[in-house]
Amino acid sequence: DIQMTQSPSTLSASVGDRVTITCRASQSINSWLAWYQQKPGKAPKLLIYEASNLEGGVPSRFSGSESGTEFTLTISGLQPDDFATYFCQQYDTLYTFGQGTKVEIK
Amino acid sequence: QVQLQESGPGLVKSSETLSLTCTVSGGSISSNYWTWIRQSPGMGLEWIGNIYYSGNTNYNPSLQSRVTISVDTSKTQFSLRLTSVTAADTAVYYCAKGRATYGPWGQGILVTVSS
Repeated sequence: DIQMTQSPSTLSASVGDRVTITCRASQSINSWLAWYQQKPGKAPKLLIYEASNLEGGVPSRFSGSESGTEFTLTISGLQPDDFATYFCQQYDTLYTFGQGTKVEIK
Repeated sequence: QVQLQESGPGLVKSSETLSLTCTVSGGSISSNYWTWIRQSPGMGLEWIGNIYYSGNTNYNPSLQSRVTISVDTSKTQFSLRLTSVTAADTAVYYCAKGRATYGPWGQGILVTVSS
């Protein structure tokens, strides 16, 4: 099984901050990685697919990048609506999710 | 805009069968994959399996012996059956559109397995 390890598990930040979340795959997944945002009591929402492609309607302050088996989600200029939990998901071999990163108010 | 809605019992007894239905509205169930995912504090987000509108299925190997996903295109619904449930199957169950990446999702339904 491909394991997805996210860091940090919790991140404290302020409105306007640049925030970076990392996801590391246990083996090569090429670029088959997605990022989701989840708010309390709600279903996850797809933000980015294929490591760096923004889903339609998602603000451009969200971006994704990759380097080998390490993937990064960046929020440039954190907004009040962005305080949530973020998950990565690989879809190279079956489908597995990271354990999540909670972005909380500092 | 496609919308999904899960329905079914919120409480299932241990060793019995969990059955959920996802109703798709606002769009066609045809020519798409449909997926079940669950989320629990212990296991996080876990892919259960998917079904193509034609009926072809793929299951998580860890659940394969207990899972069946089916589709009823006439009702624009697809369903999940999970047999021999235990407390470890307690989770919020989501249905979602897509094979590899998922959106939109249903709102989720909490299923608790009781002893």
